[in-house]
Amino acid sequence: DGGITQSPKYLFRKEGQNVTLSCEQNLNHDAMYWYRQDPGQGLRLIYYSQIVNDFQKGDIAEGYSVSREKKESFPLTVTSAQKNPTAFYLCASRSPFPETQYFGPGTRLLVL
Amino acid sequence: AQSVTQPDIHITVSEGASLELRCNYSYGATPYLFWYVQSPGQGLQLLLKYFSGDTLVQGIKGFEAEFKRSQSSFNLRKPSVHWSDAAEYFCAVGVGNYGGATNKLIFGTGTLLAVQP
Repeated sequence: DGGITQSPKYLFRKEGQNVTLSCEQNLNHDAMYWYRQDPGQGLRLIYYSQIVNDFQKGDIAEGYSVSREKKESFPLTVTSAQKNPTAFYLCASRSPFPETQYFGPGTRLLVL
Repeated sequence: AQSVTQPDIHITVSEGASLELRCNYSYGATPYLFWYVQSPGQGLQLLLKYFSGDTLVQGIKGFEAEFKRSQSSFNLRKPSVHWSDAAEYFCAVGVGNYGGATNKLIFGTGTLLAVQP
């Protein structure tokens, strides 16, 4: 069954700690995305990757890092430099034309 | 700058009543337009999309949307709402031209739909 998985569903971060959110897809899509969702603000783009070993900053990349070593995987690290990390994080992958983004179930990050 | 506006933050309708959610966009080129739905604590599910051709597009769950270029709008409609339609709805425009592809989505801030019995 094809789709996008994100883990964990909930993640707790301590002060000064880096945490990594997992995103895996088996849709054979080249492009993958990370969004952050805050109440009343819609979704904002953090990073995206059009192909393996390549990625670009989105609108709110500060305090985050990514890697794209495999086509199926696009992990997001929330670093200690991100001062307000509490949010709902959504991963997506994009199909070829008609180019459409499909979303995973999300990870909620909370700060202890 | 590209942007999407959803003027209604919250809408309440009665079950069985018709629904229209508004979406206006700002984009210089021909837009790719999308509607997604999100249940609490869940990811986004694609309802429908417009790329070209017929300006009235049909989606899943009985939803449709009409692209009106002159009004820069892409409003979502449903003739008869069900209690299970209660959720948050997001309109988005695909922008960018990285390698010939739309490289990101610009989202509106969402409309929260409540359904009264």
